[in-house]
Amino acid sequence: DGGITQSPKYLFRKEGQNVTLSCEQNLNHDAMYWYRQDPGQGLRLIYYSQIVNDFQKGDIAEGYSVSREKKESFPLTVTSAQKNPTAFYLCATRRQGGNYGYTFGSGTRLTVV
Amino acid sequence: DAKTTQPNSMESNEEEPVHLPCNHSTISGTDYIHWYRQLPSQGPEYVIHGLTSNVNNRMASLAIAEDRKSSTLILHRATLRDAAVYYCIPVRQGGSEKLVFGKGTKLTVNP
Repeated sequence: DGGITQSPKYLFRKEGQNVTLSCEQNLNHDAMYWYRQDPGQGLRLIYYSQIVNDFQKGDIAEGYSVSREKKESFPLTVTSAQKNPTAFYLCATRRQGGNYGYTFGSGTRLTVV
Repeated sequence: DAKTTQPNSMESNEEEPVHLPCNHSTISGTDYIHWYRQLPSQGPEYVIHGLTSNVNNRMASLAIAEDRKSSTLILHRATLRDAAVYYCIPVRQGGSEKLVFGKGTKLTVNP
């Protein structure tokens, strides 16, 4: 079945360490997005990519970095510069060039201690 | 980005219809209206979207006002599995086509 795989589901890191969250898709979608969700809040956009080797900052990009070397993969690195990294991170994809809905992964819950 | 207004919460009984309203008075002519729902500790799930005409799919119906300043998501027979937070999101075609999430409506379904 086609879909999005986010791994791991739960991640614990010590403060000051960088950590990379994985997002892989086999939907052949061009666009990929990373969102962050804090408890009781809506999702906020971190970064997005509409084509391989290109990506743009979203609304809260500070302290995060991404790469898009392959169409299937859009990893997110949470750096030590991110002041409040503990959150639920969600990856989404969408087919470009038309009127389509978004598909979301099941998320990674990151806890920094 | 167009702003949306949704009730913070709504309650329904199982097997009854549910009408979830959304105001999007600043919507532009090229914005599609998307609806997503999110269960606790899960990623959002696409429900339905439309531009001007009313839309139906296996999950729900979407009724869009003639002036497009509001829309209503209709669940024809609520089940306990429909209990979730529902987000109404205008999406501009072209550009980033990003989703901008508000706080949504938390739907409680009573058995």
